Order: sequence, then C-alpha cells, then structure tokens
Amino acid sequence: DSGVTQTPKHLITATGQRVTLRCSPRSGDLSVYWYQQSLDQGLQFLIQYYNGEERAKGNILERFSAQQFPDLHSELNLSSLELGDSALYFCASSVGTITGELFFGEGSRLTVL
Amino acid sequence: GQQLNQSPQSMFIQEGEDVSMNCTSSSIFNTWLWYKQDPGEGPVLLIALYKAGELTSNGRLTAQFGITRKDSFLNISASIPSDVGIYFCAGSTQGGSEKLVFGKGTKLTVNP
Repeated sequence: DSGVTQTPKHLITATGQRVTLRCSPRSGDLSVYWYQQSLDQGLQFLIQYYNGEERAKGNILERFSAQQFPDLHSELNLSSLELGDSALYFCASSVGTITGELFFGEGSRLTVL
Repeated sequence: GQQLNQSPQSMFIQEGEDVSMNCTSSSIFNTWLWYKQDPGEGPVLLIALYKAGELTSNGRLTAQFGITRKDSFLNISASIPSDVGIYFCAGSTQGGSEKLVFGKGTKLTVNP
C-alpha cells in the first residue's frame, strides 16, 4: 500500500460526458502528480501541483483540468470525453519536488463508450 | 521533448535466470529511476540513481547510471515468479520530479 488513494477505481461513461477523478496523497506529501497510461503511450505526465499551486504542466489537453485543495487532495476533471480518453489515470505524490521518487496510487480506469 | 528508449519491450524467461534491461536517451539526464508495475497496480519505485556511474543494488536488483548520463540499465538476478510485471525506467533532466519522463516499459514474464 503506497498510501495514495484514488477514487473511483473504475468508471464507465459516454462520449461528451464529464468526470472527476479524486486523489488523496500520502500523509505529509505536498506534491501531487497526474499521469495517463494507455496501451501504446506508456505513462504520460499531465500535471503537477505543489502545496496547492500548479507547478508543472505536461501533455494535458485543454478539456482536462486539475486542482489541489487546501487539504492537499487533488481532483482531475475530464470533460467532453472522447473514445481516445479511455485509459488508466494515475495519481502520484511526493514529499517535495527535488527527487523523482514518486508514490503512485492504484489508478482510476476510465472507459469511454 | 525528451524520450527514453527502453528495451527490450518484452521478455520471456525461465525462473532462476538473470534478466537485463536498459534505457537510453539522446538527452542527458541528472536522475534515473526504475519502477515496477504489477498487474492492476500503480508503479512502485525500485531504485533511484542520482550520480553518473552510480551502481546501486536493492536485493536481487542492480541498476547503474551510465557514465555518459544518457543511459541506465537494470539487472535482476535469479528471477522468481513474483518478478513478473512491467518495468519502467524514468529520467529527469532537471534533477527533480517536474516533467519526469518515463520509458514505455519492459514486460517481464517468468515461467516457473
């Protein structure tokens, strides 16, 4: 158990819909990261927050947004969903930002039909 | 952007055999890390390397940070069935977690 909690574990929805994925980091970790994992693309970095502030942005679509709340949990919002958005979405956390030592949650599997 | 070329893509071995996989890049990295992902789980950090030439072990696992800073390898000795999974290399050019780049993984199958 990494200490990172993600909900929901599985989500099935239709194209055009909007979903919210939630992540609670390890106790004491200030950084939260979101990654997308699809079969042919590996782990793609989406966005990072540190202590409530956006810290770095990767290949995140404009239809996607995220935020980190004062209690340090984070939400990833995916809107106008397309079939190609079907993937595993991982949240990871770390104490700071100096190392690449991340602790990953078990992921949220999104299926868009 | 930076890309990591991880090879092989997949490996099928017998229990007890040694395994070697590597990761290369055209860019210089300041940090190399190796993660393992079990089926249905998130990646778990195995080894972190922060200095060129560094050789680090974690049980039966050994990883090295290449001297050129453009490559890293992971060896697993005397493989066992629970070594099954996908192994990812990851690198950072900024020495930090921002924009950590992951390879596409090596899928390891161990036959008992």
